[in-house]
Amino acid sequence: EPEVTQTPSHQVTQMGQEVILRCVPISNHLYFYWYRQILGQKVEFLVSFYNNEISEKSEIFDDQFSVERPDGSNFTLKIRSTKLEDSAMYFCASSGRVEAFFGQGTRLTVV
Amino acid sequence: GQNIDQPTEMTATEGAIVQINCTYQTSGFNGLFWYQQHAGEAPTFLSYNVLDGLEEKGRFSSFLSRSKGYSYLLLKELQMKDSASYLCAVRDSNYQLIWGAGTKLIIKP
Repeated sequence: EPEVTQTPSHQVTQMGQEVILRCVPISNHLYFYWYRQILGQKVEFLVSFYNNEISEKSEIFDDQFSVERPDGSNFTLKIRSTKLEDSAMYFCASSGRVEAFFGQGTRLTVV
Repeated sequence: GQNIDQPTEMTATEGAIVQINCTYQTSGFNGLFWYQQHAGEAPTFLSYNVLDGLEEKGRFSSFLSRSKGYSYLLLKELQMKDSASYLCAVRDSNYQLIWGAGTKLIIKP
């Protein structure tokens, strides 16, 4: 069964450093998303990506964040100058016409 | 603003039936989703409703009333492995998923 793959599964970084979270969406999907979930809190939408550009972004997705689809398969989330409050699980998802399928997430810990 | 409400926590007994409610107020409606999320794991898709009525899938069923802005997820013959959070999400007019905070379901023997 096709699945969304995320790497790394866990990333520890020092405050102020840049991190890149990687995702390989399901190959025939057209819509890609990044979400985050702070421990014990709800899933929060960050950004959606369609046709090689951002289609929607939330208030959380400020200049600190950027997304790229550098080739035909990878979808990355870059977080510049990380802060302690960026510590969370980051989920990538992709969808066709109906449901979104999630990757297993990257647990980001900023120390 | 957009809002999705569901109970924070529910407790049920193994073998029993539980109904998790979800009410929503969103900018447009393009479908309602239920996802299951075990602690520390990714949400996994359970069901999708876009028309009024009941969708049944094995032990799980989901109901939608668009006029009332209301849905429920019904879990039958509860098993210990059903202990998880259940997330209600609505796709709005911009095709964005708006998420509820999730209902933590605790199953007791």
